[in-house]
Amino acid sequence: GAGVSQTPSNKVTEKGKYVELRCDPISGHTALYWYRQSLGQGPEFLIYFQGTGAADDSGLPNDRFFAVRPEGSVSTLKIQRTERGDSAVYLCASSSHVGRDFISYNEQFFGPGTRLTVL
Amino acid sequence: AQKVTQAQTEISVVEKEDVTLDCVYETRDTTYYLFWYKQPPSGELVFLIRRNSFDEQNEISGRYSWNFQKSTSSFNFTITASQVVDSAVYFCALSESFGNEKLTFGTGTRLTIIP
Repeated sequence: GAGVSQTPSNKVTEKGKYVELRCDPISGHTALYWYRQSLGQGPEFLIYFQGTGAADDSGLPNDRFFAVRPEGSVSTLKIQRTERGDSAVYLCASSSHVGRDFISYNEQFFGPGTRLTVL
Repeated sequence: AQKVTQAQTEISVVEKEDVTLDCVYETRDTTYYLFWYKQPPSGELVFLIRRNSFDEQNEISGRYSWNFQKSTSSFNFTITASQVVDSAVYFCALSESFGNEKLTFGTGTRLTIIP
């Protein structure tokens, strides 16, 4: 079956522009995560969706970043007034989480990422 | 707050040598999960292993083995008889919460296997 897909694979934009990054999770996965990976660093958590709602957006760096998941499937990460420091690979992951106990951990499956370059 | 430290930024070994990647974590929770991921040059994150905090048994999978020690808050990863295909960046990660399994990653160790 299809894995997590992300589009575009690469995005080059100019400082100050608006960008949208799309994530298509694995069909049926209710949980969706966005991470950001800067050069030479590990991925950093941005936001977590359970269904349509953002259950945890504590990782969003500022109010220029926003994400939606209107129908509980595809998610879009939106960045306004992009800055050079926003340049990174943006990773999306999904899992079949429906609430768990400690034993039944739900694996996160990662997409290939979108490489964003802000000039 | 949770934190994962991978002190080794880069390691190079000659093929067929054994190599150990270190991981030290910090958490206030008593229940948590630890992970290792591989990121080859293609960029995609590949899941290798997950351990929960109640299971300190070491695990072996082929040439890979993991040593989890709660007393030292460490979760080290050993590759035996390394191969060129093992060259990649390896990340250790921690997940604390019920219901929100967001991962906290270390900064990664770049492993280069020299043929």
